Formats: sequence, C-alpha cells, structure tokens
Amino acid sequence: DAKTTQPPSMDCAEGRAANLPCNHSTISGNEYVYWYRQIHSQGPQYIIHGLKNNETNEMASLIITEDRKSSTLILPHATLRDTAVYYCIGLNTGTASKLTFGTGTRLQVTL
Amino acid sequence: DTAVSQTPKYLVTQMGNDKSIKCEQNLGHDTMYWYKQDSKKFLKIMFSYNNKELIINETVPNRFSPKSPDKAHLNLHINSLELGDSAVYFCASSHTGSGYTFGSGTRLTVV
Repeated sequence: DAKTTQPPSMDCAEGRAANLPCNHSTISGNEYVYWYRQIHSQGPQYIIHGLKNNETNEMASLIITEDRKSSTLILPHATLRDTAVYYCIGLNTGTASKLTFGTGTRLQVTL
Repeated sequence: DTAVSQTPKYLVTQMGNDKSIKCEQNLGHDTMYWYKQDSKKFLKIMFSYNNKELIINETVPNRFSPKSPDKAHLNLHINSLELGDSAVYFCASSHTGSGYTFGSGTRLTVV
C-alpha cells in the first residue's frame, strides 16, 4: 500500500474552499486514492475516491495529478461541521487489501 | 437504518475480565474489519474477515479472538483484559477492494 504524506493541520474560513493536499509518490497502478474523515470521535466517514480521473460528489471534489503522485481534496464551501481529521489513503483492490490510516490532516474551520 | 452497528457503545470493566463487542452490517458486504483507536488517536487495523474467513490478522495478542458466525456479523472477544486494551474499537465492512463503512465505535475502558 502506498505511503501518503499530508500536512498535520490546516485552517479554513467558513464558506471558503478547503484544499487538502496529499502526496503519494509510491502509489502503484492498481491503487485507488481514498479520502476519509473522522469528526471528533465518530467512526471514519468515506468522502470520495479515484484512480486517475478527477472525481466529484455531493461532499467534495478530488483532483489527481496526471502522474498520480499527488492529489487534492476540495471541500467547496467549508462549514464548521467540516472540522475533522482528513485521511488520504492508497487502497488496492485485492482480497487482503486494507485501509491503513496515517496521521491525516486536522482541518479547523473557523468563523 | 444503521448500516454498521456495534454494541455496546460504552464498556467499562475491570482488569482480568473477559468481554465481547458485537458488530452487524446490513449492507450485504462480504468483508468485515475490526480497528483499534488508541489514546493518541492512531487508527490501526486488527482483523479482517472475508466471507467468514480470517484474511488479515495484524499481530494482535491472542487474547483477542474475532468470530464471524456469518457474513453480516463479526464479533470481538477479549480475554483477560488489560489496562492497555482501553481504546475505541471500530467495526467496518466493505465489498472486496472497495471503500469501507465504519460503525460508530465502542469505547472500552479497563480499570
């Protein structure tokens, strides 16, 4: 599984876009980039995932560079409820694949 | 309709006791997992079951014994509880190689 690197913390003003970067230079061709978040002590929540193409859903957008060595999660209009730890994880499709969490980015959304 | 449900939500017990945590998913997923989140908030996978078969066992002490009676259930039994077992335990499920859905966690406190 690819090792990912994320900044430990970021701040964002409410209503602005939050752009969370992730480096995954060792990602292999069959590994997807997954983003999860954990709000306070709740269970991790799936946000979005992608392989090569950019992806968008109701929660966020995922921009993956052409060389797949990095990606950016975009929360278009951050709210206070988006304050959480965000995890970028590489995950392959095998039976023994496992979602391995790093230390993530603590996003603080402020008024 | 809770997708992944764990019981109990809180568990306080004395050292040396034996306890179980139950997990059920109604998503039709074929793989289930147990994760442990310690006081430093680091999330670590413990076990994974695919169609009732153990496929991941991450060097967890043998006091921890997972049991999967069917695809929808994965229980965690812990013998001879120690202070260091205090943590939040999360159950999760997925289709093989796809994103995980997590439960809301069981906070175990050993006194």
